Amino acid sequence: EAGVAQSPRYKIIEKRQSVAFWCNPISGHATLYWYQQILGQGPKLLIQFQNNGVVDDSQLPKDRFSAERLKGVDSTLKIQPAKLEDSAVYLCASHSSGGFGTEAFFGQGTRLTVV
Amino acid sequence: GNSVTQMEGPVTLSEEAFLTINCTYTATGYPSLFWYVQYPGEGLQLLLKATKADDKGSNKGFEATYRKETTSFHLEKGSVQVSDSAVYFCALASGGSYIPTFGRGTSLIVHP
Repeated sequence: EAGVAQSPRYKIIEKRQSVAFWCNPISGHATLYWYQQILGQGPKLLIQFQNNGVVDDSQLPKDRFSAERLKGVDSTLKIQPAKLEDSAVYLCASHSSGGFGTEAFFGQGTRLTVV
Repeated sequence: GNSVTQMEGPVTLSEEAFLTINCTYTATGYPSLFWYVQYPGEGLQLLLKATKADDKGSNKGFEATYRKETTSFHLEKGSVQVSDSAVYFCALASGGSYIPTFGRGTSLIVHP
C-alpha cells in the first residue's frame, strides 16, 4: 500500500513570498489533516478535511494560510505572504473513516525555511 | 480540551539500558492513545496504540499500558539499541472527529 505522498520535501523562500505544498493521501482515506511542526515541538493541527469538506480549521491562520481538497483526494496548503515564524515542517496525514482506535498515517513532510 | 504532556528530553542512554518515557493526558470522552516515532529525516510512524483502559500496546520491544486511573501511557523498553535513537511522540484522539493531539516529543539518544 502506498503511503502519504508530499512534495516538495524542502523549500526555502524569502519572507512575504508565497508557497504551496501538495499532499496525496492513502487511497480511500476520507480524512486528511495538515499539521505544522515547529522545531522542538509536537505537530499542531492546522486543518482537517473529511472528503472535500472542512471539519476543523480553527487553528489555521486564515489571513495568510489557505487549504483546499478538490474532489476529496489531493490537497494543497498555501501560505501567502510567508513570515519568518512560518519556518517549520508541514505534515500531511490521512485517516480512514474508521474513527475510534484507528491511527493517522503521515507523509515525510515539507521542510519550509523562510529567510 | 485535549492535551498531552511528555517528559522533556533529551533522554541519553547507553545501549541495553532500560527506557521509560513518561506521558500523561487530559481528554474529553474516552480517548485512544498512541506512541509515534520520528527517525531523523523521516515522517511520523505509528509505534503502538491502545484503545481502552488496561490495554497494553507493544511493538519492536516497546510497550505502553493505558492507565485510566492515572491518565498515563508511559513508553518502556527493556533494552534499547542505537537504532532506537529518534524522537518519540505521545498522542491521543477522542471525541467525534478523532483528531490526533500530540505532545511536544521526547528525543532519545542511545550511545554504543
